[in-house]
Amino acid sequence: KAGVTQTPRYLIKTRGQQVTLSCSPISGHRSVSWYQQTPGQGLQFLFEYFSETQRNKGNFPGRFSGRQFSNSRSEMNVSTLELGDSALYLCASSPVRGVTNTGELFFGEGSRLTVL
Amino acid sequence: GESVGLHLPTLSVQEGDNSIINCAYSNSASDYFIWYKQESGKGPQFIIDIRSNMDKRQGQRVTVLLNKTVKHLSLQIAATQPGDSAVYFCAENTGSNYQLIWGAGTKLIIKP
Repeated sequence: KAGVTQTPRYLIKTRGQQVTLSCSPISGHRSVSWYQQTPGQGLQFLFEYFSETQRNKGNFPGRFSGRQFSNSRSEMNVSTLELGDSALYLCASSPVRGVTNTGELFFGEGSRLTVL
Repeated sequence: GESVGLHLPTLSVQEGDNSIINCAYSNSASDYFIWYKQESGKGPQFIIDIRSNMDKRQGQRVTVLLNKTVKHLSLQIAATQPGDSAVYFCAENTGSNYQLIWGAGTKLIIKP
């Protein structure tokens, strides 16, 4: 069974640009969550999608957005990039919504974004 | 606000010894806790979880201890191996939503 796939793995952008990251969850998983990881900050929750609907959103500005398609694949977009957006963006999938059951999230290897 | 406080130390352990990684949480309403392991270049991987109605849970070579009185969580790894080298994160769920709140991580280094 294929794991969570994130593309692209690495990308470099300049300030003011926008970026779209893609996540393909494990087959059969309907929940996709996005996290931002920066050195020393742990993982910061961005948002969660379940059945094409955003169910939860973290404390990030409106420049961060996402969506989920009918096949559960998800994209996140960051507009008007800032230097501080440089981070590893992780996608996690789960067969159920959130962590109320097993709590096990299956993570991809992330998309490392560098903003110059 | 809510937070899971995890110092960001580097823990160096001799191969074969036991490792103990600690985590403090601040929300007494948290009822579910998870440990994840993140190896270099990879996403976090689930290790073990524990619910607030338990004090201890054991897995394969790993044990999680929960002390609700002092809001403390620990991960014990027995007979540490080179493959255990990673950053370890604790995370909590308050039950009020479906999110996890993550600590900052502890880097575990195994000395040969």
